[in-house]
Amino acid sequence: SQQGEEDPQALSIQEGENATMNCSYKTSINNLQWYRQNSGRGLVHLILIRSNEREKHSGRLRVTLDTSKKSSSLLITASRAADTASYFCATVATDSWGKLQFGAGTQVVVTP
Amino acid sequence: EAQVTQNPRYLITVTGKKLTVTCSQNMNHEYMSWYRQDPGLGLRQIYYSMNVEVTDKGDVPEGYKVSRKEKRNFPLILESPSPNQTSLYFCASSKGQTRQETQYFGPGTRLLVL
Repeated sequence: SQQGEEDPQALSIQEGENATMNCSYKTSINNLQWYRQNSGRGLVHLILIRSNEREKHSGRLRVTLDTSKKSSSLLITASRAADTASYFCATVATDSWGKLQFGAGTQVVVTP
Repeated sequence: EAQVTQNPRYLITVTGKKLTVTCSQNMNHEYMSWYRQDPGLGLRQIYYSMNVEVTDKGDVPEGYKVSRKEKRNFPLILESPSPNQTSLYFCASSKGQTRQETQYFGPGTRLLVL
């Protein structure tokens, strides 16, 4: 079963604009991670946020976590064409360390 | 270079013909895992291994086997492949010493079962 669900499923923006995508999950988590995937390739880790953290930054990425709403958001500021990819959230539940559960992803297209 | 490698990268086979997809990591990671990716479903975990000789089922283990005889290798075995196992498969590894670990993914193996 899928733990995380991303919203929107697809997002099309122009270079320079910000891109925001959301992730909702169902169970209590230890941490939430965001990954990026270029078409048909392996996933690359972007950022990990712990359950006791509310916000985290990494370069042009900003992640928020609201455990009361069981949701997270990923913001990419000043997007570039190279940001075109699919973005996935993944959760590690508090009661199952070994399992990483992914959402279906948000496909982002950034046009020059 | 630190990496996770998978072989083969592409495979076409027929129903019932046993196959093995190899996965190897050179980072001395304790934790390894297999996922399959299907359109609209994201990644689903098949099996994972916390350490040598320790394996556990993920969300979709049916039809798959794994083994972890050495730390660096984690092969995925399809004893009798069926068309519904046509998918893109990813192996991943992490240090595995705490819950706060990021995973490093291999390049993927695209499997077609006829």
